[in-house]
Amino acid sequence: AQRVTQPEKLLSVFKGAPVELKCNYSYSGSPELFWYVQYSRQRLQLLLRHISRESIKGFTADLNKGETSFHLKKPFAQEEDSAMYYCALERSSRAGNMLTFGGGTRLMVKP
Amino acid sequence: KAGVTQTPRYLIKTRGQQVTLSCSPISGHRSVSWYQQTPGQGLQFLFEYFSETQRNKGNFPGRFSGRQFSNSRSEMNVSTLELGDSALYLCASSLVSGSNLWNEQFFGPGTRLTVL
Repeated sequence: AQRVTQPEKLLSVFKGAPVELKCNYSYSGSPELFWYVQYSRQRLQLLLRHISRESIKGFTADLNKGETSFHLKKPFAQEEDSAMYYCALERSSRAGNMLTFGGGTRLMVKP
Repeated sequence: KAGVTQTPRYLIKTRGQQVTLSCSPISGHRSVSWYQQTPGQGLQFLFEYFSETQRNKGNFPGRFSGRQFSNSRSEMNVSTLELGDSALYLCASSLVSGSNLWNEQFFGPGTRLTVL
């Protein structure tokens, strides 16, 4: 069975400071990993997909299969980054849509 | 394009009752997934429907059921409600192509169910 762990429930940083939201997963196969974000009063939305290797809103995430991690990073946090962040895993696109989410990390960026 | 819509947005029920939640996917999307979000358990997958068939199922009791109609709209039903069923129920839709390529899931605003 797959499992996603986000060890920090709350991460508080000052504006301009680097941010790293941690995510570890367990899955025996080759999963697809994602980061979802939920801003206040908005819907849950996709932020990053590991396979695309894009930088979205300054965020990047690298899949480390050896450490089974998919940490989300941003070099300089902005106040508008304050939100709830969820790491998620999907077995494979062929298996259909079935996301396993981590518990989430609330990021607070202070001015 | 209109986003995923869910009705009703808020619902209050009492223990033992049953409830039906509705989800209208984005036009053209054929897959609909349901998730339960609670403070204690977080976001948990309930089930996914594609072409009116349940394609994936999470670890929830049989009191939780769903269905999908020919227009891709989906409903989920919870029978014999328990206090622990109080949660935000999210629906997500995605475009499914025949080539098995990945398609992003787009989430609705959720239905907040309170069981008293």
